[in-house]
Amino acid sequence: AAGVIQSPRHLIKEKRETATLKCYPIPRHDTVYWYQQGPGQDPQFLISFYEKMQSDKGSIPDRFSAQQFSDYHSELNMSSLELGDSALYFCASRVLGRLNTEAFFGQGTRLTVV
Amino acid sequence: GNSVTQMEGPVTLSEEAFLTINCTYTATGYPSLFWYVQYPGEGLQLLLKATKADDKGSNKGFEATYRKETTSFHLEKGSVQVSDSAVYFCALSDPDDMRFGAGTRLTVKP
Repeated sequence: AAGVIQSPRHLIKEKRETATLKCYPIPRHDTVYWYQQGPGQDPQFLISFYEKMQSDKGSIPDRFSAQQFSDYHSELNMSSLELGDSALYFCASRVLGRLNTEAFFGQGTRLTVV
Repeated sequence: GNSVTQMEGPVTLSEEAFLTINCTYTATGYPSLFWYVQYPGEGLQLLLKATKADDKGSNKGFEATYRKETTSFHLEKGSVQVSDSAVYFCALSDPDDMRFGAGTRLTVKP
């Protein structure tokens, strides 16, 4: 069965550069969630989208932006990267509007800022 | 609105100890409840779920019972192992929303 796909799996960037992370949800899933997990830390919710509209916002820095496209994939854009942005970024998808639906998580993109 | 409150960690236990991680929720409707687990170096994965009141979800020796009267979904395991060391997340979902708790880090020492 298809799972949540994230790309790239690993990314190395220098300070002040930009990065774009992509998340491809399970087919027919209309909701995407983004999380950031720093080294040795618990995941922190960043932002979520439903039907291409932002549905909830967490601790996402102003330097970051995200969107969901018509095919439901989502991209997290990160600018002016800082060393502290080094983390595992993972996304999850689910279907809204139905009972008993769980979220499925991708394997994550590990971003290293040097 | 919906919300999930989880027992704060970290939790450190010795092998074979009894585990309880508390989770309470507020919801406007009748949500489904989940526990997710994140093992070191891995992504989140579903551990167990319950879809209606009094349901008990179970997996890998873990159990949680959907208690509508106390709006709780506490995670329990009778005898933890070192391999249970992970971060555990409580979550709820209804047709319009999904909420996660902040996570509880469990460390089991031999």
